[in-house]
Amino acid sequence: EDQVTQSPEALRLQEGESSSLNCSYTVSGLRGLFWYRQDPGKGPEFLFTLYSAGEEKEKERLKATLTKKESFLHITAPKPEDSATYLCAVQAEGNYQLIWGAGTKLIIKP
Amino acid sequence: KAGVTQTPRYLIKTRGQQVTLSCSPISGHRSVSWYQQTPGQGLQFLFEYFSETQRNKGNFPGRFSGRQFSNSRSEMNVSTLELGDSALYLCASSLNRLSPYNEQFFGPGTRLTVL
Repeated sequence: EDQVTQSPEALRLQEGESSSLNCSYTVSGLRGLFWYRQDPGKGPEFLFTLYSAGEEKEKERLKATLTKKESFLHITAPKPEDSATYLCAVQAEGNYQLIWGAGTKLIIKP
Repeated sequence: KAGVTQTPRYLIKTRGQQVTLSCSPISGHRSVSWYQQTPGQGLQFLFEYFSETQRNKGNFPGRFSGRQFSNSRSEMNVSTLELGDSALYLCASSLNRLSPYNEQFFGPGTRLTVL
């Protein structure tokens, strides 16, 4: 069964303290892995799509990487405005449906 | 360019009632997907509509249904509401069918509370 697991559930960091969020997945064949950011009271906002192992993408303080079993979202020198829930989702071969992880709630303290 | 809009934003219903939620996608987008988000289950896929046809369906009972109109606007209906249907219902649109090559844009959601 296709599955996505995110860890940790919650992460509290001081401003400027770099860290990584993990997304482990089990799918029969990966078409794509997505990272989204969700602020309270809003819908998810697209960040990245990764297609194959070894791929990396960057956007401001965020960098997403992908292996055959997991993806990491690295946050470098975070600011309070990076506080949000970060969601990971995968799309498997032969299935248009997205399978979502439960998310990691990130809190950056000034 | 206007984003995805959902109406209403908040809704309170009682058990046994039915509810209809509306979603207007970004202009030009032909695919609309619906999701249920709860603290316990996270985001769960309900269904995808493309060119007025349901193309993909998640693991939800038949009480959950939807439709898409010729202008790509979509509605979702839940009949015989249960307490467990309380959730944030999110709509997302994309240019074409769900794929890694078509970014999904989400609306702000409709918060449904069933009493």
